[in-house]
Amino acid sequence: AQTVTQSQPEMSVQEAETVTLSCTYDTSESDYYLFWYKQPPSRQMILVIRQEAYKQQNATENRFSVNFQKAAKSFSLKISDSQLGDAAMYFCATGTYKYIFGTGTRLKVLA
Amino acid sequence: KAGVTQTPRYLIKTRGQQVTLSCSPISGHRSVSWYQQTPGQGLQFLFEYFSETQRNKGNFPGRFSGRQFSNSRSEMNVSTLELGDSALYLCASRRIALPYNEQFFGPGTRLTVL
Repeated sequence: AQTVTQSQPEMSVQEAETVTLSCTYDTSESDYYLFWYKQPPSRQMILVIRQEAYKQQNATENRFSVNFQKAAKSFSLKISDSQLGDAAMYFCATGTYKYIFGTGTRLKVLA
Repeated sequence: KAGVTQTPRYLIKTRGQQVTLSCSPISGHRSVSWYQQTPGQGLQFLFEYFSETQRNKGNFPGRFSGRQFSNSRSEMNVSTLELGDSALYLCASRRIALPYNEQFFGPGTRLTVL
């Protein structure tokens, strides 16, 4: 069975600062993807970044990057130069045909 | 390119009634998945359809069913509604039913059961 754990229910960051959201997972799949989704108050799930498990290089998308530690089954999201618009729930997910989501981390950005 | 659309956006029903939710995927996407999001259980997978066939199913009772049409549009039906069915129902589509295409989500349908 696949599991995803996000141990930080809530995080706060000052505008322009950097914050890291944690995620650990467990899967029996030999090849898999990992994802971070953002859900703002509008409830629209937006893909932030994805990581292919077979790639050692960490994925980066503008201000968003991941620290993927395959052996430790860890997949953290770093947000640099935080902006007010980054405030949202962030969900870590893994899966193939169906996604298994973590419980989410609520990120607050302080002006 | 238009995103995933879901109708209706909000719905209020009473216990015992049934409800049908609709999802139109992104053009060219043939796989549609449904998820239930509640404060207590989080995001849970309901089922996935590809080429009008249900390919995967989550751990939900038989009151939850779905179907997919030849144009890839999908509907989800919940019969004999219970209070616990109150949730945000999210639909997601992807181009083909391979494991590693990311899913694109719609805005959701907020169902309230009274």
